Amino acid sequence: TQLLEQSPQFLSIQEGENLTVYCNSSSVFSSLQWYRQEPGEGPVLLVTVVTGGEVKKLKRLTFQFGDARKDSSLHITAAQPGDTGLYLCASSGGYQKVTFGTGTKLQVIP
Amino acid sequence: DTAVSQTPKYLVTQMGNDKSIKCEQNLGHDTMYWYKQDSKKFLKIMFSYNNKELIINETVPNRFSPKSPDKAHLNLHINSLELGDSAVYFCASSRRTGGNPEQYFGPGTRLTVT
Repeated sequence: TQLLEQSPQFLSIQEGENLTVYCNSSSVFSSLQWYRQEPGEGPVLLVTVVTGGEVKKLKRLTFQFGDARKDSSLHITAAQPGDTGLYLCASSGGYQKVTFGTGTKLQVIP
Repeated sequence: DTAVSQTPKYLVTQMGNDKSIKCEQNLGHDTMYWYKQDSKKFLKIMFSYNNKELIINETVPNRFSPKSPDKAHLNLHINSLELGDSAVYFCASSRRTGGNPEQYFGPGTRLTVT
């Protein structure tokens, strides 16, 4: 089973700061997704990256897929309180079986 | 319109009881899932159904039994509940049948076993 380690586990920052969250595996990803989960709700897909070295931007969020497809990062510029939540990376290790990362809990303080 | 709905939202019950959680999706997806999220927020797949057929059955106690009466519904029945079953259970659905599908999650059912 593919293990996805995320770092940091917890992050508490002031509004306006920048931050980066990492997702790493010892295995090569076929593709990788990032989800955000707000308290009391289910995860919501933010992005899917497929190609090694790929960079995708979603407003203030920048997602990067490592060249070797074994790691990914999520960078948030000028964080806002609305960015608060649990960020999860996820990858498919087989037919329809998606493995989720250990999660990064982000708190943005106004 | 709710895409993936689950009932109940909260479930508090005693050890040894049997309970069910229902899930419905109105997205027309072929694949549905059950996940368990523990107190450390780790999300782990339990079951997956494609067109009412079980395709993923992780190492889950056989006290847990999924049932898919049709493509839009996937219910989870739990027998002889134990303290360790306390968690948030999420239902999800996806359209694709391979790769890394985009999954749509329900709001979760918080199960507390006392």
